[in-house]
Amino acid sequence: KAGVTQTPRYLIKTRGQQVTLSCSPISGHRSVSWYQQTPGQGLQFLFEYFSETQRNKGNFPGRFSGRQFSNSRSEMNVSTLELGDSALYLCASSLGTQLGGGETQYFGPGTRLLVL
Amino acid sequence: AQKVTQAQTEISVVEKEDVTLDCVYETRDTTYYLFWYKQPPSGELVFLIRRNSFDEQNEISGRYSWNFQKSTSSFNFTITASQVVDSAVYFCALSETSGSRLTFGEGTQLTVNP
Repeated sequence: KAGVTQTPRYLIKTRGQQVTLSCSPISGHRSVSWYQQTPGQGLQFLFEYFSETQRNKGNFPGRFSGRQFSNSRSEMNVSTLELGDSALYLCASSLGTQLGGGETQYFGPGTRLLVL
Repeated sequence: AQKVTQAQTEISVVEKEDVTLDCVYETRDTTYYLFWYKQPPSGELVFLIRRNSFDEQNEISGRYSWNFQKSTSSFNFTITASQVVDSAVYFCALSETSGSRLTFGEGTQLTVNP
């Protein structure tokens, strides 16, 4: 089975621009979660999508948004980029069938975003 | 609120040494899940183990072993006979039953020198 894939792998943007990152989950997985990793804040949860609906959300401003398509692929969007948005953005997928949480999440290689 | 603490920021060992990575967690839930992930320089988080709060049995997988102690809220990870390929950042993470959100520790950078 192919793993989680993310595109693009690297991205350079300037302040004020917006960016869209894409994630394709493992075949059969219906839940997709996004995380931001920075040297200062570590790994932080952004949001989770399941069946095209946001099921869980972290503490990030509204500039960060996401969506999920019927094939479980997901995109996240960051509008009005700030220097502090420079980070590794990781996508993870899981089956999504365990409502009580605790499913193993499998991560993609990430997208490295640099905001100048 | 849930929290995971990995007090060891960096550990450096010589090949074939045993090394233990510490993880302490906080949660108010009685049902929760603990994980360990490995992050090599490429950046991808590689899943190592998942343990639920009702299963305190220690686990061994090859050179890897995990010690889960609810009494001290710890979930420590030991690598026996370390190898250079074990060099990576290791993360401990916690998930509660309210959703799939993972709360990560700060990570421990392990360097294994030849």
